[in-house]
Order: sequence, then C-alpha cells, then structure tokens
Amino acid sequence: SYELTQPPSVSVSPGQTATIACSGDDLQNMFACWYQQRPGQSPVLVMYQDDKRASGIPERFSASNSGNTATLTISGTQAMDEADYYCQAWDSTTVLFGGGTKLTVL
Amino acid sequence: QVQLQESGPGLVKPSETLSLNCTVSGGSITYHYWNWIRQSPGKRLEWIGYIHSTGNTGYNPSLKSRVTISMDTSKKHFSLKLSAVTAADTAVYYCASALFNGGSLYFDSWGQGALLTVSS
Repeated sequence: SYELTQPPSVSVSPGQTATIACSGDDLQNMFACWYQQRPGQSPVLVMYQDDKRASGIPERFSASNSGNTATLTISGTQAMDEADYYCQAWDSTTVLFGGGTKLTVL
Repeated sequence: QVQLQESGPGLVKPSETLSLNCTVSGGSITYHYWNWIRQSPGKRLEWIGYIHSTGNTGYNPSLKSRVTISMDTSKKHFSLKLSAVTAADTAVYYCASALFNGGSLYFDSWGQGALLTVSS
C-alpha cells in the first residue's frame, strides 16, 4: 500500500530553522498538509493545500511540495514548537498519513 | 469552527463490535465531511473513514469490511461501528471534520479523542 515517509526525529536549537520532510512516490500529484500534536493533545492543522497556513498559525510556519517531497519549515523555532508533526495527503480515494516526526527544540 | 466530542465504552472484548459516537456543535453539519481517525500506542495515525450529510461514505480499504459509519443529522452526531475487534484495534479514536477543496482533503477540527482498549 502507498505510504508517506517522515524522519522519526528532528532536533533544532531555539531561534534556528527546522525542516521536516515527507516523501512519497506520487506526492507531487497530491496536496500535502501538516498537523502538530503536542503531548496528550489532539492533532491541530498547521498547513493545508501544500503551502496555506491554517487559521491562527504563526507566520514562522511555512510549507512546500515539490518533486516527491513535501516540506514543513519552522523559522525562528520556539520551545513551544516542540511536538510531533504529521504530514497527510489525499489520493482521491484514501487518506494517507506519514509516520510522524518528533521535533525536539534544545 | 466546529467542536467535536467522542463518547464510547472504553473497553471492548475481542471479537465484539466497537461503537463510538461523535457529537458536533458550533457549526453546520452539512458542509464538512465527518471522519473517524485512530492513533495506535505507537502513535501512527490511521484514517478509518468519512460520511457526509448526503449519506456519501468513504472507507479505508484495509478496514472497509469491518467498518460502518452512520449519521443522524437531526441530532448532529455521527457514529462508528467496527466489528470483530482484536487487540490490534486498541487505540485512541478521534472524530474529525474535513474539508474537500480543489482536490485536497484536510482535517480542520478534531475531537479530544477516546481511548478504546480491546481486552477480555
């Protein structure tokens, strides 16, 4: 079955730029979106339709989708950004999720 | 933005049918697609399926034979039934609203999640 692949973990220093990748063979033909999940909480939509920021999401969050890789970028990363991040796409019949990336801010 | 709240038994025996409900408040039930998503103890998210107020449904092919999603628009709630459960179905179950827009589908609101354990 088709899968989206994410790195299990990414580390970043406060104030630096964090980049989280999501790869899939046909991802360039789909729209990608991203969710943030803090410990003990439900996922929250961060980015949708490749590069659109969801309501209430800070401008330091951005995203792109090119080739077979979608990328979430967090500029000026803050301690509050430490969370799990999941990519997701729709292949016209099924919802696909990546395995999630734990972002550590240290 | 809509709010969603799951409710369910918490514990189900192997081979039985899991039933969960989701109550929608704070918005119209006719615009969104209403979904069930689960998250295993290993934390991977898995989409189960959706229903629209028109009755249109879509299911994850890997679960389709065991899943039924239904909706009561007058009461603004929708339900999940998953039959023949095993320990592998132990997870946090979320209900979520989704928007279809220009070929994309994304989940704009999530419930708080309901832990369901399959055990005898």
